[in-house]
Amino acid sequence: GAGVSQSPSNKVTEKGKDVELRCDPISGHTALYWYRQSLGQGLEFLIYFQGNSAPDKSGLPSDRFSAERTGGSVSTLTIQRTQQEDSAVYLCASSPLGQFQYFGPGTRLLVL
Amino acid sequence: AQSVTQPDIHITVSEGASLELRCNYSYGATPYLFWYVQSPGQGLQLLLKYFSGDTLVQGIKGFEAEFKMSQSSFNLRKPSVHWSDAAEYFCAVAHPSGNTPLVFGKGTRLSVIA
Repeated sequence: GAGVSQSPSNKVTEKGKDVELRCDPISGHTALYWYRQSLGQGLEFLIYFQGNSAPDKSGLPSDRFSAERTGGSVSTLTIQRTQQEDSAVYLCASSPLGQFQYFGPGTRLLVL
Repeated sequence: AQSVTQPDIHITVSEGASLELRCNYSYGATPYLFWYVQSPGQGLQLLLKYFSGDTLVQGIKGFEAEFKMSQSSFNLRKPSVHWSDAAEYFCAVAHPSGNTPLVFGKGTRLSVIA
């Protein structure tokens, strides 16, 4: 079956612009996670959804970052007023209740 | 605070040689333990996981890992490395409730030479 998909696969933007990153989880997976992978910081957790609610937003680095999930399915991560330090690979993962996480291929974001 | 340490940033092994990648964790209770592999430009693929029970777990691609509570370790092993195993390997932990974010180590990059 289909795995976790993310779009776009690559995004180049200018500093100060807003970007939206999309994640389509595996159908039926109730949990959805966003992570960021950067050279200096490794893999960092950003936010976790259970259904449409986000019980854990502790990893969002600033108020420029937000995310939502609708219909217990698709999630969008929005970065406002992008900065160069936001350049990274943004990974999405989904899981059934209490199981391990399946990862998408990631979105490579480059802020010029 | 929870943390995962992978002490080896980069390892080079010869094809056909054995491999052991180290992972130590710091956690309040026995966590769920995972090894993921990431090939260049790809997402993370689960190699194996430990939730409970037998401390020696088998994974895909011929990998295995052993959980040692006394050492807070979960080392990954493979008896004979193939060139296609060259990738980045990440050890991760999660709360045993299961629905919590993963805490990752910094990763170990594996190079395989002929």
